[in-house]
Amino acid sequence: DAGVIQSPRHEVTEMGQEVTLRCKPISGHDYLFWYRQTMMRGLELLIYFNNNVPIDDSGMPEDRFSAKMPNASFSTLKIQPSEPRDSAVYFCASRSSRGNTGELFFGEGSRLTVL
Amino acid sequence: AQSVTQLGSHVSVSEGALVLLRCNYSSSVPPYLFWYVQYPNQGLQLLLKYTSAATLVKGINGFEAEFKKSETSFHLTKPSAHMSDAAEYFCAARGGSNYKLTFGKGTLLTVNP
Repeated sequence: DAGVIQSPRHEVTEMGQEVTLRCKPISGHDYLFWYRQTMMRGLELLIYFNNNVPIDDSGMPEDRFSAKMPNASFSTLKIQPSEPRDSAVYFCASRSSRGNTGELFFGEGSRLTVL
Repeated sequence: AQSVTQLGSHVSVSEGALVLLRCNYSSSVPPYLFWYVQYPNQGLQLLLKYTSAATLVKGINGFEAEFKKSETSFHLTKPSAHMSDAAEYFCAARGGSNYKLTFGKGTLLTVNP
């Protein structure tokens, strides 16, 4: 089975540019999560969706960050404009509401460097 | 609110020695508890999970963890460390119907030859 697929794996951009990170969850999973990982703050939940609807975006740091899930198999996290402090690894994870254990399946992450 | 505390951001052991990574949680409801492992430049992989069945949970790669409600702990152990165990380990908790997982800050495990 294919796992959670993220792209790009690495992105280097300059301050002020728009960044779009993409995620394809595991087929059949109805929850999708975006996390950010930094040395200073560890893993932070940015936003999560249930059945393509954003449920909790309280972790989104600023209005420069936005996330969408137009269908069950695709989500994007956009940063516009990007700043050096946005440099981090961004993880997408998905899970199924069946079983109710809450286990998340993670993608391999998108490493963002903003110069 | 859920919180997860991992004691020790860095643990170093010798190959063959016992591995003990500590995790304490706070929850107002019976929790679901997880340990994840992250190898360099990779995503997080599930090691094991506690879901209110047996309090001693066995996971992959010889790891196990024991849920102790009285101590609000879920420490991860492995009797004999292997070089391939070197990675970062995250404890996580989810309470009741809350679908969010709260992660600890992680513990980096170094295994010395």
